Amino acid sequence: AQSVTQPDIHITVSEGASLELRCNYSYGATPYLFWYVQSPGQGLQLLLKYFSGDTLVQGIKGFEAEFKRSQSSFNLRKPSVHWSDAAEYFCAVRTGTASKLTFGTGTRLQVTL
Amino acid sequence: SAVISQKPSRDICQRGTSLTIQCQVDSQVTMMFWYRQQPGQSLTLIATANQGSEATYESGFVIDKFPISRPNLTFSTLTVSNMSPEDSSIYLCSVGEGDYEQYFGPGTRLTVT
Repeated sequence: AQSVTQPDIHITVSEGASLELRCNYSYGATPYLFWYVQSPGQGLQLLLKYFSGDTLVQGIKGFEAEFKRSQSSFNLRKPSVHWSDAAEYFCAVRTGTASKLTFGTGTRLQVTL
Repeated sequence: SAVISQKPSRDICQRGTSLTIQCQVDSQVTMMFWYRQQPGQSLTLIATANQGSEATYESGFVIDKFPISRPNLTFSTLTVSNMSPEDSSIYLCSVGEGDYEQYFGPGTRLTVT
């Protein structure tokens, strides 16, 4: 069965600094990969997705992610973090034949001013 | 993307009672999903609800505890039955769209006392 690992439970960065959130997946074929963000008291918002093609994908709010098959990774990046980016970030994977998403445990991002 | 609303947004319920959560979508969708997010945890899929068929439950979730209705292509309900404090969670519905991504409602925050 597919699985998703987010090694970092909690990350703190200064406003304006760069950000990278790690995500590793376990699945035999090329998965469909997603990053979601959950602000306090809110539902989940889709940041970006990868299905095929260019391994560097751009998303909303200035986020990007890079799919690396050799490392089974799909890390999320942002060159300059804003205080409003403080939230919980979830990586998720969907296999080709199944409808459901499997989520990682999430990374809580704190932004200091 | 579809606009998804949930009712109620939050509730406090007594042990042994039941709560029905509604999920309304502003467009017709084939696939709807119900997730549970326990405090400080990631999302776990409860069941997939397709219109015109019985819901498909994930391991560890049963219909007697979490009955689901899907009367049409824009609406679904999830009932949490005979509640205990362990059912205190955020319950989220989502819809499947486009290239396999899912969009989420704002969630229902349930506290069982």
